[in-house]
Amino acid sequence: QLQLQESGPGLVKPSETLSLTCSVSGGAITSNLHYWGWVRQPPGKGLEWIGSVYFTGNTYYNSSLKGRLAISVDTSRGHFSLNLTSVTAADTAIYYCARQILDRGRLPFFDFWGQGTLVTVSS
Amino acid sequence: QSALTQPPSASGSPGQSVTISCTGTSSDVGGYDHVSWYQHHPGEAPKLVIYGVTNRPSGVPDRFSGSKSGNTASLTVSGLQADDEADYYCCSYAGRNKLVFGGGTKLTVL
Repeated sequence: QLQLQESGPGLVKPSETLSLTCSVSGGAITSNLHYWGWVRQPPGKGLEWIGSVYFTGNTYYNSSLKGRLAISVDTSRGHFSLNLTSVTAADTAIYYCARQILDRGRLPFFDFWGQGTLVTVSS
Repeated sequence: QSALTQPPSASGSPGQSVTISCTGTSSDVGGYDHVSWYQHHPGEAPKLVIYGVTNRPSGVPDRFSGSKSGNTASLTVSGLQADDEADYYCCSYAGRNKLVFGGGTKLTVL
């Protein structure tokens, strides 16, 4: 059974970098049928797609975060990571990692999600 | 990309049916047959209930169904049960491997 587990600091200071890791178990991070993505949910708000990464390192990012965002994958350790720089209070959210289906070159949906981790940006 | 529009709340009694709408544009919902729906009980991992507008993953009961007309997609939950009470989010492919979500609908089973 696939399991995704987010990990990282729960508190980040403004202007610093938010770093999270998603560990993948029970399935191959090197699958050629899937991308691996990040989604966040600010308090009281809806979901927002952040970005996605393939096991080769190819990435797609939400344009609203481009310039601050980097998503990478480490196939030897079976995890992928999110780095978001220059954070503000607006980046406070529950961050979810999820597996994304690759269908004829498109990434249409997430079929499996982690439980999520709350990251608060505050001094 | 702008978020898709969902009603903030919906409700129904046990056994009844409820439909949740999700309105986008011709650049997302109307342009692709790649609308998905997620059930989210707070504190838990979101769960995929519909993909490709109308398809149910294995294990999702046939009480959940999806449809689309123009720029609006819909999720219908029939035979409402207490455990269906959750937040529901729609999501659409928006081209060039971008995804956009709706703001979410809180479904209450009365």
